[in-house]
Amino acid sequence: AQTVTQSQPEMSVQEAETVTLSCTYDTSENNYYLFWYKQPPSRQMILVIRQEAYKQQNATENRFSVNFQKAAKSFSLKISDSQLGDTAMYFCAFMTTTDSWGKLQFGAGTQVVVTP
Amino acid sequence: DVKVTQSSRYLVKRTGEKVFLECVQDMDHENMFWYRQDPGLGLRLIYFSYDVKMKEKGDIPEGYSVSREKKERFSLILESASTNQTSMYLCASSQPGQLWYSPLHFGNGTRLTVT
Repeated sequence: AQTVTQSQPEMSVQEAETVTLSCTYDTSENNYYLFWYKQPPSRQMILVIRQEAYKQQNATENRFSVNFQKAAKSFSLKISDSQLGDTAMYFCAFMTTTDSWGKLQFGAGTQVVVTP
Repeated sequence: DVKVTQSSRYLVKRTGEKVFLECVQDMDHENMFWYRQDPGLGLRLIYFSYDVKMKEKGDIPEGYSVSREKKERFSLILESASTNQTSMYLCASSQPGQLWYSPLHFGNGTRLTVT
């Protein structure tokens, strides 16, 4: 069974600054997908960024980027130039490539608070 | 855009009541899921369904059942609600073959309080 660990329950960052959220996972699979989801106060879960395990290159989506370290089983999310609208709960999630249903294994989440 | 609609945003029920949480998706997705979200525990999978009338247990199915009579609708049933089922419930859907670039699509959640 796969497990996903987010060790930071809450992080605070000032506008325009950078914050990095950590995520580690445990799996015996060699190929898999990793995701970061954002849940703002509206509760609508939004996919932020995705990474395929066989790709060495770290994914980037505008101000969001990941640092994927496969050997260390680490998948951190960096939010650059933080904005007030980035205030949300962020969840790291894992999915095996053999899963045909889309069952995601989620971490406990990190609450990010962006302050003016 | 995929829309997943949960019928109630907030729900308050009494211990022992039978509770129905309804979820409808409009994109003809094959797969539908019910997750429970609790502080410090993240999202945990209760049940999922990959076709009409088909269901599979997730990680925490005890105390819950589900129904999928139509492709677009997936119901979560608490046969006899208990206070430890007070939680946020999230419905989601996905489509096989699109899981990489378009994984789970979520509803806005139902916050259930059992008193």
